[in-house]
Amino acid sequence: QQQVKQSPQSLIVQKGGISIINCAYENTAFDYFPWYQQFPGKGPALLIAIRPDVSEKKEGRFTISFNKSAKQFSLHIMDSQPGDSATYFCAASMANFGNEKLTFGTGTRLTIIP
Amino acid sequence: NAGVTQTPKFRVLKTGQSMTLLCAQDMNHEYMYWYRQDPGMGLRLIHYSVGEGTTAKGEVPDGYNVSRLKKQNFLLGLESAAPSQTSVYFCASSTRDIAKNIQYFGAGTRLSVL
Repeated sequence: QQQVKQSPQSLIVQKGGISIINCAYENTAFDYFPWYQQFPGKGPALLIAIRPDVSEKKEGRFTISFNKSAKQFSLHIMDSQPGDSATYFCAASMANFGNEKLTFGTGTRLTIIP
Repeated sequence: NAGVTQTPKFRVLKTGQSMTLLCAQDMNHEYMYWYRQDPGMGLRLIHYSVGEGTTAKGEVPDGYNVSRLKKQNFLLGLESAAPSQTSVYFCASSTRDIAKNIQYFGAGTRLSVL
C-alpha cells in the first residue's frame, strides 16, 4: 500500500527552465511534508519542508506548493541548473502525533540539460 | 563533524551468509532508522529505534534484525542473506524535537547477495 504517490519517475528540463515534481497522499493524519534531494552515491538530504497550515513555502529557487483539500503537494525548481540534477523524494509523516517515521514517495530522477 | 557513518560501504555475500551493518551517529539523536532503497520503490523503512534499548518494525522488517545497545549505534543484521536483499541500505537519525523534524542520512551500504 503506497501512501505517497510521486510523479513523474524521471524528468528532463532545460537549463533555466522550471522543474515540477508532484506528490499525492492518502492519509489525512499526515502533517509534515518534506522533500529530500539525493545525489549519486550519497544519502538523501533534506531540501525543504512544509506543514499544512500554509499553502506555499519558498526557499531560494525551491518552492513547495501544498493543496490540503486535494491532498497534493509539489516541488517547483525555478531557473533549473545542471547542479540540480539529482533524485528527489517527497515524504510525509505524522510529526504532531509523535510519529517521526517518514513515508517516502518512489522518487523522481531529474536531469537538467544545458 | 562526521554526522551519520555507515560501515561497510560495499559488501558481496553468498546466499545464506550472515552479516551486520553498523550505523554510528555523533549528533546525540534519540531516533535512528534503517531503510532500503530499490529502483522504482523509493526508500522503505526496515526497522527503527526511538531510544537506547528499544527497536520497532517498519514497513519491510522480514529477514532483518536490529539492536540499539548504545544511543549512538544502530546495527542491522541479516542472519541468512537472500538475493532479494540485494539493495542499498541507508541509516538515518533524527532528534525527538518535532520542531526540528529532519532525518540525517549516512552515505549508504551497497549490498549484493549472489
